[in-house]
Amino acid sequence: EIVLTQSPATLSLSPGERATLSCRASQSISSYLAWYQQKPGQAPRLLIYDASNRATGIPARFSGSGSGTDFTLTISSLEPEDFAVYYCQQRSNWPPGYTFGQGTKLEIK
Amino acid sequence: QMQLQESGPGLVKPSETLSLTCTVSGGSISSGGYYWSWIRQHPGKGLEWMGYNYYSGSTHYNPSLKSRVTISVDTSKNQFSLKLSSVTAADTAVYYCASEGDRGAFDIWGQGTMVTVSS
Repeated sequence: EIVLTQSPATLSLSPGERATLSCRASQSISSYLAWYQQKPGQAPRLLIYDASNRATGIPARFSGSGSGTDFTLTISSLEPEDFAVYYCQQRSNWPPGYTFGQGTKLEIK
Repeated sequence: QMQLQESGPGLVKPSETLSLTCTVSGGSISSGGYYWSWIRQHPGKGLEWMGYNYYSGSTHYNPSLKSRVTISVDTSKNQFSLKLSSVTAADTAVYYCASEGDRGAFDIWGQGTMVTVSS
């Protein structure tokens, strides 16, 4: 099973700052790497798929990059509504399945 | 736009079977290319994929749950369902249904339903 490790566990920043979140896979994965945002009491929302493609309606300040084992979610200038928990997720074709990282909490400094 | 809605009991007794249903609206569950999944989140914890039923009928489950979980599709009702047998307190969680349209990512989620396992 592929393990995804996110870092840092908690990131404390101020509105307007740039956020860089990391997701590392235990082995090289395909481009099936996605990022989600989750706010308290809500379902996760898809931000990025295929490592770098923004989902429908996602603001341009969110961007994804990376390949192989190292992936990054960048928020260029934090808005107050961006403070939440972020998860990365990968899909394996064989054996079929999905795994999530443990999450990064982005909190207001 | 497709939407998903979970339904089912919020309280299940230990050793019994947890049963949840996800109703699909705004689209057909039998249309091609969708993986219909269940994902759960233990209180204050991360996300755990439980399994999927592909539109063709094939299923795959998380190995950690494989012996206890079944995901089925009812095309006549436009629903898919989760059954988790022999539950314990460790199965207390928020359960989400979600769909993946072959982009490797879950682009549609239900709002989630909390299930507590307790006598």
